[in-house]
Amino acid sequence: NAGVMQNPRHLVRRRGQEARLRCSPMKGHSHVYWYRQLPEEGLKFMVYLQKENIIDESGMPKERFSAEFPKEGPSILRIQQVVRGDSAAYFCASSRRESDTGELFFGEGSRLTVL
Amino acid sequence: GESVGLHLPTLSVQEGDNSIINCAYSNSASDYFIWYKQESGKGPQFIIDIRSNMDKRQGQRVTVLLNKTVKHLSLQIAATQPGDSAVYFCAEILWSSASKIIFGSGTRLSIRP
Repeated sequence: NAGVMQNPRHLVRRRGQEARLRCSPMKGHSHVYWYRQLPEEGLKFMVYLQKENIIDESGMPKERFSAEFPKEGPSILRIQQVVRGDSAAYFCASSRRESDTGELFFGEGSRLTVL
Repeated sequence: GESVGLHLPTLSVQEGDNSIINCAYSNSASDYFIWYKQESGKGPQFIIDIRSNMDKRQGQRVTVLLNKTVKHLSLQIAATQPGDSAVYFCAEILWSSASKIIFGSGTRLSIRP
């Protein structure tokens, strides 16, 4: 049973370009969470999605950031017109159902570097 | 509230000794608490959890203590091993407000041989 798969593991973008980060949850998991982590800091919640629905996006910046979790395919975190401050590790986690949030399974993260 | 970005505090422990990692959480109404371990370059890994109606829970080599009076959580690791080197985060959940986990700022555990 494969774990949470994130790709790419490393992504380099120039300022103004777009970054797309993908997350395939564990098999049977329909809840996906995205977190952002700066070096030497904790994880900050960004967005919580279920299939085809955004449940809580209170941690998402108002501009340039968007997330989706389509009926088919991985969840995608999209950052438009990236700036240097977007450089961070972005982690995806999945669970089977809401009450399992203590059993969130995390991917290995996607590390975005903006030049 | 959300964790504040700070440089990680470091705990240095002699191999074989017990480690105690502390965490102050923010919301007195939080229902559930978790400790995560994050090794360099990897995602967080669940270690142990505890519900707010408990004050102690034990796992294999790990014990979590919860003091709701002072909003304090601790993780005790017995007989610390080199493989325990990592950053440890406490996290809290308030079921009624959202399904997101709020992470603390983390502690880096360093093992001396």
